[in-house]
Amino acid sequence: DQQVKQNSPSLSVQEGRISILNCDYTNSMFDYFLWYKKYPAEGPTFLISISSIKDKNEDGRFTVFLNKSAKHLSLHIVPSQPGDSAVYFCAASAGANDMRFGAGTRLTVKP
Amino acid sequence: ETGVTQTPRHLVMGMTNKKSLKCEQHLGHNAMYWYKQSAKKPLELMFVYSLEERVENNSVPSRFSPECPNSSHLFLHLHTLQPEDSALYLCASSQSRVNQPQHFGDGTRLSIL
Repeated sequence: DQQVKQNSPSLSVQEGRISILNCDYTNSMFDYFLWYKKYPAEGPTFLISISSIKDKNEDGRFTVFLNKSAKHLSLHIVPSQPGDSAVYFCAASAGANDMRFGAGTRLTVKP
Repeated sequence: ETGVTQTPRHLVMGMTNKKSLKCEQHLGHNAMYWYKQSAKKPLELMFVYSLEERVENNSVPSRFSPECPNSSHLFLHLHTLQPEDSALYLCASSQSRVNQPQHFGDGTRLSIL
């Protein structure tokens, strides 16, 4: 039962353009959402999070949008840089002891 | 040394061996976690410890045995593993168990022969 889905396994964008990574979830009890970035041979690194009481959170080049009615989460990176090339995971939590991850989207930013 | 450190980074073992994975966090966090990541699959939460007490065991087979001797250290003891247990095992920690980001180690790549 995969409650968090990232339907695009890969995404390629040009340097300087916007990268939009998408995530859908099925559990309406999720109230905390996160994005992680993972480079090869390293563990996931926390990027940005959002609580269900908000619909947008911004941190520098990274903005997360939450659409609760559509059960949809997205991460916008602008402008995209070659160093952003990595696998991005979305995750969602419905409280303590619960964290569900998507399968990841591989982002490639071309110079 | 800062962050979450996992050792060893790679481990190859036979099905009859006994080995342990080690995780250490230097962040002063109160919760620690073990995750399993199999090829092409999302991370799966295995165990949760809060203040050294196990609070979650997600139907993990008994051949995986966690231990948390203090809030900075977490072990995963392995015995009689199966080939399907080959995966990347990730340790994470967080300040608390609710609405806090988890900080991950770099993982142990486990291969069962």
